[in-house]
Amino acid sequence: AQSVAQPEDQVNVAEGNPLTVKCTYSVSGNPYLFWYVQYPNRGLQFLLKYITGDNLVKGSYGFEAEFNKSQTSFHLKKPSALVSDSALYFCAVRDEDSTSYDKVIFGPGTSLSVIP
Amino acid sequence: AAGVIQSPRHLIKEKRETATLKCYPIPRHDTVYWYQQGPGQDPQFLISFYEKMQSDKGSIPDRFSAQQFSDYHSELNMSSLELGDSALYFCASSLAGLAGTDTQYFGPGTRLTVL
Repeated sequence: AQSVAQPEDQVNVAEGNPLTVKCTYSVSGNPYLFWYVQYPNRGLQFLLKYITGDNLVKGSYGFEAEFNKSQTSFHLKKPSALVSDSALYFCAVRDEDSTSYDKVIFGPGTSLSVIP
Repeated sequence: AAGVIQSPRHLIKEKRETATLKCYPIPRHDTVYWYQQGPGQDPQFLISFYEKMQSDKGSIPDRFSAQQFSDYHSELNMSSLELGDSALYFCASSLAGLAGTDTQYFGPGTRLTVL
């Protein structure tokens, strides 16, 4: 069965410093991986996805993520954090081999706080 | 660019009442998904439709039903509401591609409160 783990409930980083939000996954086949951001009382906004190809994926708002198959990880990164990046971040996965491939499984979310 | 539209944005109901949530996908998107997000929880997949046919089913209670209409909008019907149904309900839409690779774009959600 698919699963997603985000080991940190909360990440605090100073403005201007690099940030990393961690994500590990478990699937039976090849993973399709996604990152979404959720601002308070808002819907989820798509940031980026990995389907195949280059392990480093660049997305919206200066975010990028690196797919690491051996470590089954897909960590979200940004070189220089902004206060406006403070939000809830969800990693999500779909399993290429799943007969239920519409279903996106979300991680529990990581709350990012960027301190001025 | 047009986004996913959900209505109403907020809904307050009493226990045992019914509720209908509506979702209007991004134009030309053919797939609609429904998710439930409880307080402090991650979104849980409920059900999806592709070309007006149910394509996948998740943890949707039997009290809930949904359908996608000819104009691709979708409605989630919830009956015999319980306190535990209070949550944020998201609709997402996508343009179906190679299985599993399409990106789901989310609406702003409907906040349902059951009293």
